[in-house]
Amino acid sequence: ETGVTQSPTHLIKTRGQQVTLRCSSQSGHNTVSWYQQALGQGPQFIFQYYREEENGRGNFPPRFSGLQFPNYSSELNVNALELDDSALYLCASTPQQGAPDTQYFGPGTRLTVL
Amino acid sequence: GQQLNQSPQSMFIQEGEDVSMNCTSSSIFNTWLWYKQDPGEGPVLLIALYKAGELTSNGRLTAQFGITRKDSFLNISASIPSDVGIYFCAGQKGASGSRLTFGEGTQLTVNP
Repeated sequence: ETGVTQSPTHLIKTRGQQVTLRCSSQSGHNTVSWYQQALGQGPQFIFQYYREEENGRGNFPPRFSGLQFPNYSSELNVNALELDDSALYLCASTPQQGAPDTQYFGPGTRLTVL
Repeated sequence: GQQLNQSPQSMFIQEGEDVSMNCTSSSIFNTWLWYKQDPGEGPVLLIALYKAGELTSNGRLTAQFGITRKDSFLNISASIPSDVGIYFCAGQKGASGSRLTFGEGTQLTVNP
């Protein structure tokens, strides 16, 4: 149990729709990162939020956006869904400037785009 | 996006055997990490390596940070059925808390 929770657990959407995924960080963690994990692949970094501001972004298009709230919980929004967006979406929280061994992953949200 | 080259892709071993997997990169990382992921779960950190040449153990697991800072390996000794899962290496280039770059994973199956 990492203290990082994500909702929903599973989600099915159709191409062109929009989706919002949610992450609740471990208590005291003010930095959250989002990763996309396609089937059979390792996680790919999407972006990171620190104190409600985007703090680094991977190679993902602008239709992937995020928010971080004052309580450090976070959302990942994906617009105009494509079939290739089907994946496990993971969030990870860490204290500011925390060492990697203080970064904890949530269980993920499995998104299926039909 | 960039991923680390992790091998082997899968392994089928008998309980009690030792296992070795490795990860290489064309670029330098300041930190190397090894994770295990079970079905329906997020990755769980096994070992973190912070210094080139460092050899670190966690129970039956041993990992090393390559001297060139471009590679790492993980050994599991005396495997048991609960070692089944997907093992990922990950590298971190920047300051603590910065993005992780993951390998493609090694699927480990342990036959009792």
